[in-house]
Amino acid sequence: GAGVSQSPSNKVTEKGKDVELRCDPISGHTALYWYRQSLGQGLEFLIYFQGNSAPDKSGLPSDRFSAERTGGSVSTLTIQRTQQEDSAVYLCAVGGSGNTIYFGEGSWLTVV
Amino acid sequence: QKEVEQNSGPLSVPEGAIASLNCTYSDRVSQSFFWYRQYSGKSPELIMSIYSNGDKEDGRFTAQLNKASQYVSLLIRDSQPSDSATYLCAVDDNDYKLSFGAGTTVTVRA
Repeated sequence: GAGVSQSPSNKVTEKGKDVELRCDPISGHTALYWYRQSLGQGLEFLIYFQGNSAPDKSGLPSDRFSAERTGGSVSTLTIQRTQQEDSAVYLCAVGGSGNTIYFGEGSWLTVV
Repeated sequence: QKEVEQNSGPLSVPEGAIASLNCTYSDRVSQSFFWYRQYSGKSPELIMSIYSNGDKEDGRFTAQLNKASQYVSLLIRDSQPSDSATYLCAVDDNDYKLSFGAGTTVTVRA
């Protein structure tokens, strides 16, 4: 949705494995976000990228989580040594005018 | 993240009625306010934004903002079964980040 493509749409992984989630926004969006939504929970901010500025990583829950954005376009969220509590929908979003945020369809992660 | 509280719901309304959703926020300096709709199994979709005190209408949706009371609401008039979803209130946390409420689930009974 909103010109943001996420992959994979669904991922089941074993506890302890690493996973990579990809976000590919249409060109022209300089602001990119990752949010997380656990079952029945609200949206939790993870990280924000804006152009060439240093990212705001203040929402990353632990050092097992990292993200990068290459060339101001594609972003990858990496979760190392996954735990069951990491099971959630990981939503990539792009920023619009007036502080608006538009979400992609999300990557549904299940850690078993 | 700043606190954003929504009425817990679930909210059940008959078709054709008005659904009223409420949201309060903790930070008096917040300037941007949003309502998102989230269907089950889908990602949130922006349906309303409001930046100034008062009412803003868009079709069957009306957002109301009262910054002095730190309160924002969403009215859905002539509710339809297709309005059944979870509605998320969001408030700007700073220049670029939004804080979200936990959501209110609305069910419109045919």
